[in-house]
Amino acid sequence: QVQLQQWGAELLKPSQTLSLTCAVYGGSFSDYYWTWIRQPPGKGLEWIGEVGPRGRTYYNPSLKSRVTISTDTSKNQFSLKLTSVTAADTAVYYCARGQAQSFGELFAPREIDYWGQGMLVTVSS
Amino acid sequence: DIQMTQSPSSLSASVGDRVTITCRASQVIRNDLGWYQQKPGKAPKLLIYVASSLQSGVPSRFSGSGSGTEFTLTISSLQPEDFATYYCLQYNTYPLTFGQGTRVEIK
Repeated sequence: QVQLQQWGAELLKPSQTLSLTCAVYGGSFSDYYWTWIRQPPGKGLEWIGEVGPRGRTYYNPSLKSRVTISTDTSKNQFSLKLTSVTAADTAVYYCARGQAQSFGELFAPREIDYWGQGMLVTVSS
Repeated sequence: DIQMTQSPSSLSASVGDRVTITCRASQVIRNDLGWYQQKPGKAPKLLIYVASSLQSGVPSRFSGSGSGTEFTLTISSLQPEDFATYYCLQYNTYPLTFGQGTRVEIK
């Protein structure tokens, strides 16, 4: 059974850097997309970005200048860093796993099938 | 970005009702679409992938259809545990994008 467990700072001040880590338990760490998604209170879901099976990263253009997603394959963990946060970044942040479809050495994202528990990150002065 | 437009944004229904939610993509996404159920305070749960395949463990009253730009999630007989918010997600083109959600409430 695949489980994703996430942690990080829950309260930030404006201009600080949001930093979250997600550990993957069960299943393989390779051959999947490792994804971050957020949800402002009372609102819908926003895809932040992901890292693919060969380490290539993909970011939402709306956040690209501030986002970094990385992996530590030795620990089956992946991380999110979001710089220069403002109140607009207050949200529940989810880590998640996405299936990958292989085309030889290339991959394409498929459905997101496992999610972490989510954590509310609040940005406030 | 591909815009995913869900309708309705909310609906009221009774236990036993047939419920249909629609998701329309702003451009063709083949069948690269998933449907998710989210309950308050919980992470979304995958119900349907590649537009019409039922995720393991999901009750058969849930079904999905469509291809191209028009997609539908149907709950054949609404159960008390189905009252939640439903989202579609396209994974055909980056950035991945969600519909705005459909809240299913008790009538």
